Amino acid sequence: DAMVIQNPRYQVTQFGKPVTLSCSQTLNHNVMYWYQQKSSQAPKLLFHYYDKDFNNEADTPDNFQSRRPNTSFCFLDIRSPGLGDAAMYLCATSRVGGSYNEQFFGPGTRLTVL
Amino acid sequence: GEDVEQSLFLSVREGDSSVINCTYTDSSSTYLYWYKQEPGAGLQLLTYIFSNMDMKQDQRLTVLLNKKDKHLSLRIADTQTGDSAIYFCAEIFSGGYNKLIFGAGTRLAVHP
Repeated sequence: DAMVIQNPRYQVTQFGKPVTLSCSQTLNHNVMYWYQQKSSQAPKLLFHYYDKDFNNEADTPDNFQSRRPNTSFCFLDIRSPGLGDAAMYLCATSRVGGSYNEQFFGPGTRLTVL
Repeated sequence: GEDVEQSLFLSVREGDSSVINCTYTDSSSTYLYWYKQEPGAGLQLLTYIFSNMDMKQDQRLTVLLNKKDKHLSLRIADTQTGDSAIYFCAEIFSGGYNKLIFGAGTRLAVHP
C-alpha cells in the first residue's frame, strides 16, 4: 500500500546532541511537510518542500533544518535539541493540484530530550 | 491572522450523536477538513468540505459549513467507543502550498 513512513517511531536524545528524523513516501507526491506537535496542541508547520524548493515558516527556529535528497525521502535535522523541542514530529505529503488538496500523514516520531 | 479554534473536550454516551465545533479565520480557504488522531498515531483525514458547499454527508459523518460566521461543525451519528480520539479542524491557508492551519483539537470521549 502507498503510504508515508516515519523512522524511528520513538527517538530519545540528549540535550544538545544532534538528531535526524526520517520520512519516506511511496505516493510520489511533490510536496513534503514537517509538522511539530506538542502535547495537547495543534500541529504546527515547520517547513515544506515543493519538489526541491525549500520553504521555511517564518517562526521556525534555525535549530531545525531539512533535507530532501530525492522525491521519496525527507529528513528533519535538529542541530542542538533543547528540552522545549520534545514533541511529536509529523511528516505529511500532498500532490499540488490533486483532489481536494489532501495531506497524507505518517504515524509520527515522538522525540524525547533528556 | 491565522487562527482556528475548537472546544477542547467533548464527552458523549455510546449511541448518541456527537457535535464538534470549529471557527476559522481565512475566508478564502477553498477546503476545510476534519482529521482524526488516535493515541500515538498520525492524523487521518476523516472528511472535507469544499467552501462553496453548506453541508456534506458521508455515512455517519455530517459536516456543516456556515461561511458567513466562519463556523464548521462535524456531527458523528451513533457514536461508538472506536470514535474516541482527538478531532482536528483545519483550513487551507490561501497564501501557501496547501498549508494547513489546525485547531488545537477536540478530545472526544465516548462512554457506555
